[in-house]
Amino acid sequence: DVKVTQSSRYLVKRTGEKVFLECVQDMDHENMFWYRQDPGLGLRLIYFSYDVKMKEKGDIPEGYSVSREKKERFSLILESASTNQTSMYLCASRYRDRGYTFGSGTRLTVV
Amino acid sequence: QQQVKQSPQSLIVQKGGISIINCAYENTAFDYFPWYQQFPGKGPALLIAIRPDVSEKKEGRFTISFNKSAKQFSLHIMDSQPGDSATYFCAAECGRNRDDKIIFGKGTRLHILP
Repeated sequence: DVKVTQSSRYLVKRTGEKVFLECVQDMDHENMFWYRQDPGLGLRLIYFSYDVKMKEKGDIPEGYSVSREKKERFSLILESASTNQTSMYLCASRYRDRGYTFGSGTRLTVV
Repeated sequence: QQQVKQSPQSLIVQKGGISIINCAYENTAFDYFPWYQQFPGKGPALLIAIRPDVSEKKEGRFTISFNKSAKQFSLHIMDSQPGDSATYFCAAECGRNRDDKIIFGKGTRLHILP
């Protein structure tokens, strides 16, 4: 069965810390995505990548960066965490013929 | 033009009833319309999807109805069960280019009363 694995289910970080959220997929998918999910706001796209070392800004990239050094791994980086980045973060991957596979999410709390 | 509007925001249905969630889009270039189901504490999972060359797709108790001229599509859950209680997202996508991305609706929280 295909899998997208996010390294942490729950994370608590302090304001100003640099935070790394890791995502690994085992499906050889080209496209990978990072979303954040907040009540009433749905799924908002932060960044996506359609190839190794390629990245594209989504709808809300401010305060975030990403890294994709290998096809299977897509990392989301919060350069200096702030309380308004407290959220559920979801990673997803997709093969070219559609269907997103999501990870289980990382619930990040910034205190 | 890139939006997908989903309604209602929340829905309560009696067990055995029909749950209906509606979505509308503007971009006629969209050519793939999936629905995702998300249980608490989990990521969304692909439930069912349709392409615009058909007006209906059925998988078990789940049916997508698609109206190309009205640019609307809907999810029908027949004989709704408490286990169907979840958040449902409709989405639309134009997948011609490698950097195309999916557009999600804001979600519908469905609660099935036992």
